[in-house]
Amino acid sequence: KAGVTQTPRYLIKTRGQQVTLSCSPISGHRSVSWYQQTPGQGLQFLFEYFSETQRNKGNFPGRFSGRQFSNSRSEMNVSTLELGDSALYLCASSPQGQGATGELFFGEGSRLTVL
Amino acid sequence: QQQVKQSPQSLIVQKGGISIINCAYENTAFDYFPWYQQFPGKGPALLIAIRPDVSEKKEGRFTISFNKSAKQFSLHIMDSQPGDSATYFCAPQRMNTGFQKLVFGTGTRLLVSP
Repeated sequence: KAGVTQTPRYLIKTRGQQVTLSCSPISGHRSVSWYQQTPGQGLQFLFEYFSETQRNKGNFPGRFSGRQFSNSRSEMNVSTLELGDSALYLCASSPQGQGATGELFFGEGSRLTVL
Repeated sequence: QQQVKQSPQSLIVQKGGISIINCAYENTAFDYFPWYQQFPGKGPALLIAIRPDVSEKKEGRFTISFNKSAKQFSLHIMDSQPGDSATYFCAPQRMNTGFQKLVFGTGTRLLVSP
């Protein structure tokens, strides 16, 4: 069974630009969550999608947004990039949701560098 | 905001030694206590988890100890190996409640020296 796939793996942007990251969950998983990982803040929850609906959102500004498609694939977008947005963005999938079955299955992440 | 405090931040252990990482939480409704392991360049992966109906769970060299009254659970790595060098996260949660925001511990960077 294929794992969670995130693209692109690495990208470099400049301040003010926008970026779109993609996540393909494990087949059959309906929930996709996004996390931002930085050395100083650890793993911070961004949002969770289930059956195309955003169910939960973390404490991030409106520049961070996401969506989920009918095939459960998800994208997240960050507009007007700031230097502080440099981070590893992780996607995690689960069969039903973050609270339902416990385990989250993470992708390898998309490492964003903002110059 | 649910508080999760993980300690220590970093740990250096000799090969063959015991590594101990602790996680303290506040929400008494939590009923699933996992530890995730993350290697450089990889996403976290579930290492071991415990439910509150038992006080200890062992899987190979990895053991979770759970102290409900103290609201703490710990990861013990016996006979630590260089391949165990990674960052470890706890993420206590409530199961089967549907939609919740997970809070991960701040992480413990373990280095096992040869």
